[in-house]
Amino acid sequence: QQPVQSPQAVILREGEDAVINCSSSKALYSVHWYRQKHGEAPVFLMILLKGGEQKGHDKISASFNEKKQQSSLYLTASQLSYSGTYFCGTVHMDSNYQLIWGAGTKLIIKP
Amino acid sequence: KAGVTQTPRYLIKTRGQQVTLSCSPISGHRSVSWYQQTPGQGLQFLFEYFSETQRNKGNFPGRFSGRQFSNSRSEMNVSTLELGDSALYLCASSFQGREYEQYFGPGTRLTVT
Repeated sequence: QQPVQSPQAVILREGEDAVINCSSSKALYSVHWYRQKHGEAPVFLMILLKGGEQKGHDKISASFNEKKQQSSLYLTASQLSYSGTYFCGTVHMDSNYQLIWGAGTKLIIKP
Repeated sequence: KAGVTQTPRYLIKTRGQQVTLSCSPISGHRSVSWYQQTPGQGLQFLFEYFSETQRNKGNFPGRFSGRQFSNSRSEMNVSTLELGDSALYLCASSFQGREYEQYFGPGTRLTVT
């Protein structure tokens, strides 16, 4: 089952914070976050594993709530370069390590 | 190190025809996955190949097929094209054991008329 991402789109001013959520109805083994800029290929951001800790680099971090089967991506003090569509991919406990992708969250950062 | 390359970048075909897309992974990557991306459906997994064997397959009809060669290069074929097959087809490669970190190619934009 495809994970549900929310919101579908968000518009921010440079410097504001954003949170993007990714929820699954099935038990998760891992959650993967990618960003795709317009006209470009998706780029890997980070992976969160079941039982793992919150990850992040620079001002982008993410958490994994095993009870809720949900991951959240946090973008703090957003920069213009953060604009793009953010996809979460999930791997379920009973799958053959097959990534299932969310529909994406479009993030627009305005100066 | 060269990135993932896909050829051709753009393709226009007529309904009923068939098409073959090519993907060359990053050197050393043995896993290659294919995705279909459309505005309405997002990223849809087609299949994954590792060491010339299909390891995973998504929910696509049999018209979609693929293969991988001994040098890890991969091809996907779509037969009897339909208008709904118009999409961006992305190929991604990864290291063995790090399949979660996929490196995507620029994609092939297929338009079926």
